[in-house]
Amino acid sequence: AQTVTQSQPEMSVQEAETVTLSCTYDTSESDYYLFWYKQPPSRQMILVIRQEAYKQQNATENRFSVNFQKAAKSFSLKISDSQLGDAAMYFCAYRSDGYDMRFGAGTRLTVKP
Amino acid sequence: KAGVTQTPRYLIKTRGQQVTLSCSPISGHRSVSWYQQTPGQGLQFLFEYFSETQRNKGNFPGRFSGRQFSNSRSEMNVSTLELGDSALYLCASSLHLVAEVNPHYEQYFGPGTRLTVT
Repeated sequence: AQTVTQSQPEMSVQEAETVTLSCTYDTSESDYYLFWYKQPPSRQMILVIRQEAYKQQNATENRFSVNFQKAAKSFSLKISDSQLGDAAMYFCAYRSDGYDMRFGAGTRLTVKP
Repeated sequence: KAGVTQTPRYLIKTRGQQVTLSCSPISGHRSVSWYQQTPGQGLQFLFEYFSETQRNKGNFPGRFSGRQFSNSRSEMNVSTLELGDSALYLCASSLHLVAEVNPHYEQYFGPGTRLTVT
């Protein structure tokens, strides 16, 4: 069964510094997609970044980047130059053909001014 | 392009009642998924519809049902409400189910419906 684990319920970071959120997953599939979603206090879930499993290159979107380790089934999110607006719940998610999207339990990120 | 809309945004119901939630996907999107979000259980998948057919179903009792209309709008229904059904219900739309057409499986979420059962 595909499962996603986020071992950090809460994280905090100082404004302008860098923080890394961890995510591991379990799957027997070779082809799949991984995502990080952000859910600010307003509750609208927003896609932050995605990674295709067949791509070895780590995805990057502005200040957001991932460290994708396929063999280790690890998919961490790095936020550089953290801003107050980055404060939110962050969910790691997994999807493969024929299966629904699986989400981790989430990590609540606090950004300190 | 308008985003995913969900109605109503807030709902208060009494145990034993039933409720219907509505979701309008982004124009052109043919797939709609529903999730239940609670502090204790996190985000749990309810069901997914594509072209009016349920393609995937999560591990929820039969009191939870849904459907999709020909215009891709979707509704979910919960009958005989229980206190534990209090949650934020999220709807997400995507272009397609198949990776070849929707290569990223990208889902766009609505703002959710906050259901409180008393």
